[in-house]
Amino acid sequence: GQQLNQSPQSMFIQEGEDVSMNCTSSSIFNTWLWYKQEPGEGPVLLIALYKAGELTSNGRLTAQFGITRKDSFLNISASIPSDVGIYFCAGLIQGAQKLVFGQGTRLTINP
Amino acid sequence: DSGVTQTPKHLITATGQRVTLRCSPRSGDLSVYWYQQSLDQGLQFLIQYYNGEERAKGNILERFSAQQFPDLHSELNLSSLELGDSALYFCASSVAWGVGYEQYFGPGTRLTVT
Repeated sequence: GQQLNQSPQSMFIQEGEDVSMNCTSSSIFNTWLWYKQEPGEGPVLLIALYKAGELTSNGRLTAQFGITRKDSFLNISASIPSDVGIYFCAGLIQGAQKLVFGQGTRLTINP
Repeated sequence: DSGVTQTPKHLITATGQRVTLRCSPRSGDLSVYWYQQSLDQGLQFLIQYYNGEERAKGNILERFSAQQFPDLHSELNLSSLELGDSALYFCASSVAWGVGYEQYFGPGTRLTVT
């Protein structure tokens, strides 16, 4: 099936550091979505991207839709303890009708 | 709060049993999606309904079935349960079916099969 490669799988950082994670694929995407999931909760939509090259911010979060349409990244600036969680990318492959999810990036922050 | 509701929050049952999970989408959303998330795993797409009709199928077992009712709520039926069916089950909804519509997730139902 279609695969999204999300990296890194986990990150251990100090509070205040910036964070960067990305998703790549060999397929072309029409849409990229970034979600955050906390333990025992449902994923929460953070940012949606619809055009190649699009750069969108949501507070300290910034995400970009890659120019090749095969990748996307999410940056978190000046991390705080409540940023802890698992971040998932999800994409809609051109011609397909269902989202494909990355395996997630688990973010841990040391205060 | 995403506006998507799921009941029950937790469910504990025995192998071989059958359970029904319920989902109410956000007001105005016509599409409902079901996902399974096993421990420390990603989200596996099961099935999608749009305005009462099945639109897409993922890795859904034959023992599992779903439907969407005229009031747009959806139910996921899991039968002949096995230990490996223990997982979080999420429902998501979006405004329409097709390209580019954002999906909003409910809080999930945690199913434990003993």
